[in-house]
Parts: sequence; C-alpha cells; structure tokens
Amino acid sequence: GAVVSQHPSRVICKSGTSVKIECRSLDFQATTMFWYRQFPKQSLMLMATSNEGSKATYEQGVEKDKFLINHASLTLSTLTVTSAHPEDSSFYICSARGQGKINNEQFFGPGTRLTVL
Amino acid sequence: ELKVEQNPLFLSMQEGKNYTIYCNYSTTSDRLYWYRQDPGKSLESLFVLLSNGAVKQEGRLMASLDTKARLSTLHITAAVHDLSATYFCAVDTRSSGDKLTFGTGTRLAVRP
Repeated sequence: GAVVSQHPSRVICKSGTSVKIECRSLDFQATTMFWYRQFPKQSLMLMATSNEGSKATYEQGVEKDKFLINHASLTLSTLTVTSAHPEDSSFYICSARGQGKINNEQFFGPGTRLTVL
Repeated sequence: ELKVEQNPLFLSMQEGKNYTIYCNYSTTSDRLYWYRQDPGKSLESLFVLLSNGAVKQEGRLMASLDTKARLSTLHITAAVHDLSATYFCAVDTRSSGDKLTFGTGTRLAVRP
C-alpha cells in the first residue's frame, strides 16, 4: 500500500513554455501533498505544501506565480512550471501523506526529471 | 529554523567493513527518518524513529536515535556493493507543520 505515482517521469521542453507534473496517490487519500526540488548532488528542498481544496503554502524563496500548485482532489496534485527557463531544470519529487497514516509518514513519488533547453 | 546535518558527505568503504553515518539536528524533533536514494531515482524509506533510544535494524543497516543529543546514526555492517547509494536523514516536527527537513545526504560507495 501507499503508492504514489508521478507523470511524466521525464520531460524536455523549450525555454518559455509551461510544464505540468502530476502526482497521484494510488491507494490512499492524500490530505497533504508536498513538492520538492532536487538539484544534482544536492539534498531535497521543500518547495510547497498543498492541502486538498485549499491554496498551497510556499516555502521562502519559491515563486508561487512561477510554480503553480493545484490539489483539487484527495488523490491528485499538480505542479505547473510556468515560463520555464534552463535554471528550472531539476528533479521534482512529490510526496503524499494520508490522514491517519501511521507515523505521519510521507510517501514519495518516483520523481520527474525536467530539462529546459 | 531547523537544521539537519549529516557527516560524512561522502564515504568510500571497502566491502566487508563497518561504518557509521551521523545525523545531527538543531531543534527538538518528533520523528526522524532515514531514506536511500539510488542515482536518478526517488527516495526509498528505510527507517522511521519515533522515540529516544529507538533502534531499528534491517539487514546490514541499523538506525538509532538519541533525542537528548539530537543525533541519529545509521550503522552499516559488513558493507556490500549493493549498499552503494546516497543516504538521507530527515526530521519533522509538529511545530513546523510536520514538514520534512532533509539532511545534506551521505554518498556511500562500496568498493570490492
């Protein structure tokens, strides 16, 4: 149980375009989803926290107008990178936490590698 | 602000040897997690430690938690090549909204 999927797994886009990444909890209802970004050889940095049906909470330094997060249902959150630039190239990982899950644990998706040309 | 530090950042060890990775955190924590990450992949959960003195073991890996010292260790026994990966500890606290703060990561390379 507690499987989280992400789509796409890999995306290459041109500078200035927008890219949408989906995060789904497959076998549980995710009351909270988290979006992380990881640059090569670095740790994971939390970008934002989203709760179903409410606006996402962004970490300091993360532009909310550039990284649009929607958590429209208990099984789906999306991250849209708007007007992507090469510096947005990174590994984006989502995680999901369900209500009542033991240990308050987050379950991680497989990640999406974004390359902006 | 919660800070989580790991050391060493990089560890090259010979197969069959033992070693320990350390994870220090700066404020009181509710839960401590250890994850493994293989190149190009996402995180694999290894351990969740909830209370002072907690010890968990899985195969050649053993994790422990000392909340008074704000220290967790990940001990590797008789390393094998398959353990080569990057290991992260992460901490969350209710006061931070249960958000995870990750350590810097330890890249482990086990050589024959």
